[in-house]
Amino acid sequence: GDSVTQTEGLVTLTKGLPVMLNCTYQTTYSPFLFWYVQHLNEAPKLLLKSSTDNKRTEHQGFYATLHKSSSSFHLQKSSVQLSDSALYFCALGSWQLIFGSGTQLTVMP
Amino acid sequence: AQTIHQWPVAEIKAVGSPLSLGCTIKGKSSPNLYWYWQATGGTLQQLFYSITVGQVESVVQLNLSASRPKDDQFILSTEKLLLSHSGFYLCAWSPDWGGNTGQLYFGEGSKLTVL
Repeated sequence: GDSVTQTEGLVTLTKGLPVMLNCTYQTTYSPFLFWYVQHLNEAPKLLLKSSTDNKRTEHQGFYATLHKSSSSFHLQKSSVQLSDSALYFCALGSWQLIFGSGTQLTVMP
Repeated sequence: AQTIHQWPVAEIKAVGSPLSLGCTIKGKSSPNLYWYWQATGGTLQQLFYSITVGQVESVVQLNLSASRPKDDQFILSTEKLLLSHSGFYLCAWSPDWGGNTGQLYFGEGSKLTVL
């Protein structure tokens, strides 16, 4: 069946460093991939989405490229800020939205 | 603009007691509605979805039920709480079928603690 895998449960970085959060997926359909961000005690919000192969999509300094050849949609940022500390979910559009297990990003001063 | 409101914000309940959580969406006619459950720091598990008034589909069996009595209202309930029901309950809506577009708008959530 359809599935989403996020390999890192917890990522801790110092402010100003680059970050990449991994996301791979499995589906037999044409994929629609998303990144949601959830700050502490808040609701998840859509950060990025894409269904176009090899096209970079960007928002709020974060970017991701859907690679159908490797079934990946990794989230990146060139310089993390303290306010980026949050829980990040990769999600796959199927008959329902399937969320990955989430990656907690903590940015230290 | 559309708004989504969940109530209550938090509940502390005893095992075996009943529960009712609510969600109201304003500014959008006939939205697709969803209930999600999240353990602390955990992933988002879809519980129910509803495409129209009076129709609710269950995604997982967790001794919970849901109803959509009005176009803009979605209710989650159980007659007997279990310890495993503790967590964060999120109501969400989408203008289109959420799986294909992924544009879900979440409410602020209801935190449930079962003791």
